[in-house]
Amino acid sequence: TQLLEQSPQFLSIQEGENLTVYCNSSSVFSSLQWYRQEPGEGPVLLVTVVTGGEVKKLKRLTFQFGDARKDSSLHITAAQPGDTGLYLCAGAGLRPRNTPLVFGKGTRLSVIA
Amino acid sequence: DTAVSQTPKYLVTQMGNDKSIKCEQNLGHDTMYWYKQDSKKFLKIMFSYNNKELIINETVPNRFSPKSPDKAHLNLHINSLELGDSAVYFCASSQGLEGGYEQYFGPGTRLTVT
Repeated sequence: TQLLEQSPQFLSIQEGENLTVYCNSSSVFSSLQWYRQEPGEGPVLLVTVVTGGEVKKLKRLTFQFGDARKDSSLHITAAQPGDTGLYLCAGAGLRPRNTPLVFGKGTRLSVIA
Repeated sequence: DTAVSQTPKYLVTQMGNDKSIKCEQNLGHDTMYWYKQDSKKFLKIMFSYNNKELIINETVPNRFSPKSPDKAHLNLHINSLELGDSAVYFCASSQGLEGGYEQYFGPGTRLTVT
């Protein structure tokens, strides 16, 4: 069974601070997705990373896929209250290709104004 | 236009009752899913359907029965509800079966069993 461990589980920071959350596994994934979920809503995709070592930027958010495609990180620069939410990483297995996404347990971020 | 919709948004019921949750997607996707998110926010897949055919049935009690009348709809019927069934249930859809496709989630149905 492929597992994704996310850390930290909870993070509370002041507006303007930087932060990094991590998503780690002992398994190799063909791709990895990051979702953000706000209270009372379903998760919404932020980004998909596919290539080992890939870095993608979405405004103040920087996503990195590990070289071995076993881990990923999300870095937020100058966090804002609007970044508050649950951040979930989800990995797509290598084989068989129709296996479902495996979700991590999430990092709950709270940005205080 | 809502891409993936679920009804009802909230469902409060007593143990032993039978209830259904409905899901519809207007994205033209072939694949639909049901997920359960527990109180600790862990999101776990329950079922996956592709072109109305059941593809994945994770370890879920057989009190849970999904039904897909067409590609745009995937409903979830739960018999003999138990306290442990209390959770938020999410419907989702994607373009294809492969795990790398983006999943579009509905707003969730918060089920409370008393």
